[in-house]
Amino acid sequence: EAGVAQSPRYKIIEKRQSVAFWCNPISGHATLYWYQQILGQGPKLLIQFQNNGVVDDSQLPKDRFSAERLKGVDSTLKIQPAKLEDSAVYLCASSLVVSTDTQYFGPGTRLTVL
Amino acid sequence: GESVGLHLPTLSVQEGDNSIINCAYSNSASDYFIWYKQESGKGPQFIIDIRSNMDKRQGQRVTVLLNKTVKHLSLQIAATQPGDSAVYFCAETDGAAGNKLTFGGGTRVLVKP
Repeated sequence: EAGVAQSPRYKIIEKRQSVAFWCNPISGHATLYWYQQILGQGPKLLIQFQNNGVVDDSQLPKDRFSAERLKGVDSTLKIQPAKLEDSAVYLCASSLVVSTDTQYFGPGTRLTVL
Repeated sequence: GESVGLHLPTLSVQEGDNSIINCAYSNSASDYFIWYKQESGKGPQFIIDIRSNMDKRQGQRVTVLLNKTVKHLSLQIAATQPGDSAVYFCAETDGAAGNKLTFGGGTRVLVKP
């Protein structure tokens, strides 16, 4: 079974630029999550989708971050404009249905904002 | 690969010894707990989970203990191997609050040959 795919693996941008990350979950997984992991910390949930609907985006900085999962499969996370404090690893995860089902994580995208 | 955490608490263990990693949680309503392992440059990998109606669960070389009275979770790794070197995170979820997974700060385990 293929795992969660993410691209790009690394991205370096300057502050105030925009960036987008892509995630392809495990086939058949209804729930998709985006996490932000700052160096030295545990992942923090940004947004959770079930199919193409948002379940929880309470910790998403909506003035600069946006995410979509239009067809209930792939998802993109965008930051516009980026700030220095957005430097982190952005992890995508998926689970069969609810978040108490095992979440499988992708390798992440390491974002550096200069 | 890149280090997951440069300033995390670190547990140094001799190969073959047992490891114990501890985690304190604050939400007394949390009802589901998971341990994840994260190697450098990779996403977290599920190790073992436990629900709040249990106090112990065993897997292959791993055991999770839950003490709800003092809100404490531990992961025991038997016969630690070099491949166990990683950062370990505990995570919890509160079913009444929407099942959002909340991760702890992590512990780095270094296995010495």
